[in-house]
Amino acid sequence: AQSVSQHNHHVILSEAASLELGCNYSYGGTVNLFWYVQYPGQHLQLLLKYFSGDPLVKGIKGFEAEFIKSKFSFNLRKPSVQWSDTAEYFCAVRQGRGSTLGRLYFGRGTQLTVWP
Amino acid sequence: NAGVTQTPKFQVLKTGQSMTLQCAQDMNHEYMSWYRQDPGMGLRLIHYSVGAGITDQGEVPNGYNVSRSTTEDFPLRLLSAAPSQTSVYFCASSFLGARITEAFFGQGTRLTVV
Repeated sequence: AQSVSQHNHHVILSEAASLELGCNYSYGGTVNLFWYVQYPGQHLQLLLKYFSGDPLVKGIKGFEAEFIKSKFSFNLRKPSVQWSDTAEYFCAVRQGRGSTLGRLYFGRGTQLTVWP
Repeated sequence: NAGVTQTPKFQVLKTGQSMTLQCAQDMNHEYMSWYRQDPGMGLRLIHYSVGAGITDQGEVPNGYNVSRSTTEDFPLRLLSAAPSQTSVYFCASSFLGARITEAFFGQGTRLTVV
């Protein structure tokens, strides 16, 4: 079964610092990749997604992610974080075909705290 | 367009009680799923459905039942609540196949079992 690893459980940054959150998955083949964000007390919202095409994906709020197929990675980046980016971030992977089509596999999440 | 609607938002149950968490979507998505979110565990799949009349177990199905009689609704039933089921529950839906989309999530139900 697919497994998703997020390398950092808690990241603490000052405003304007750059951010990179790591995400690796275990099983190759055709995959759909996602980053979701969860603000305190709220539901999951999509930051960005990769289905196919350009491996550099741009999302909302200045976030971007790069899909590196050879490394099974989909790292999230933002050049300059803001206090309002304080949230929990989840990487998720979905098999593009096969018996588990549709099923999302989530990482354990990274809590980002940004100090003003 | 309401998206994915979950009710209730909060619930407190006593051990042994049963209840149903409601989930409805108005996007005609064929795929619907239930996740539970626990601190440090991410989201774990409880049950899912690829269409009306078709359901299957996910990673943590014990203690939960589901049914899918319509495309729109996918209720989750707790048969006999236990403190270990204290969690936040999220329902999600998406298209698959040629129209595949990301998963859209409901607002969540925070359940406490005492």
